[in-house]
Amino acid sequence: RKEVEQDPGPFNVPEGATVAFNCTYSNSASQSFFWYRQDCRKEPKLLMSVYSSGNEDGRFTAQLNRASQYISLLIRDSKLSDSATYLCVADSGGGADGLTFGKGTHLIIQP
Amino acid sequence: SQTIHQWPATLVQPVGSPLSLECTVEGTSNPNLYWYRQAAGRGLQLLFYSVGIGQISSEVPQNLSASRPQDRQFILSSKKLLLSDSGFYLCAWSWGANGELFFGEGSRLTVL
Repeated sequence: RKEVEQDPGPFNVPEGATVAFNCTYSNSASQSFFWYRQDCRKEPKLLMSVYSSGNEDGRFTAQLNRASQYISLLIRDSKLSDSATYLCVADSGGGADGLTFGKGTHLIIQP
Repeated sequence: SQTIHQWPATLVQPVGSPLSLECTVEGTSNPNLYWYRQAAGRGLQLLFYSVGIGQISSEVPQNLSASRPQDRQFILSSKKLLLSDSGFYLCAWSWGANGELFFGEGSRLTVL
């Protein structure tokens, strides 16, 4: 059974702090990974794609550890607007049914 | 640029009534199209996907159906809704079969 596990949170973090959360996956055949951001009652939006060991985009860094089968998302200098739920996705290839979504980690940035 | 729209945004329907959700994509050709459902406290569940006109793959047995009458149109239907059909329905598209999905605004369905 393919599973992607995330700590649901919420993570309460003061503005300006650095926060990191992990996502573990059970399917060792997973080839690529994605982080999506979902605001309350809105659609998910792609935040980052991870095809190798990691990716960095501004204040956001994703790192992949294949040996331990987890992906992390690090947010530096957090902003109030970073408050959202972050969904982790593992792709084992083979089309649409190869995608497995985690249930998400809820992040709240406090002023 | 590419855009995706789905409607209606909100629905409240009685048990046993029919359902039709529509999704259209603009600005691209031959996209892969998807219908997902997100129930409270659960991850996104893939319901249907399509790689071309008239080509529909179903992921879970259910009383829902999907159709793709045109290249950039994807429709989710039901003849008789169940209480368990309540949820947040999301249409999405992608270039090819990868995890970079672009979602519509979502349709929130409540079955009473």
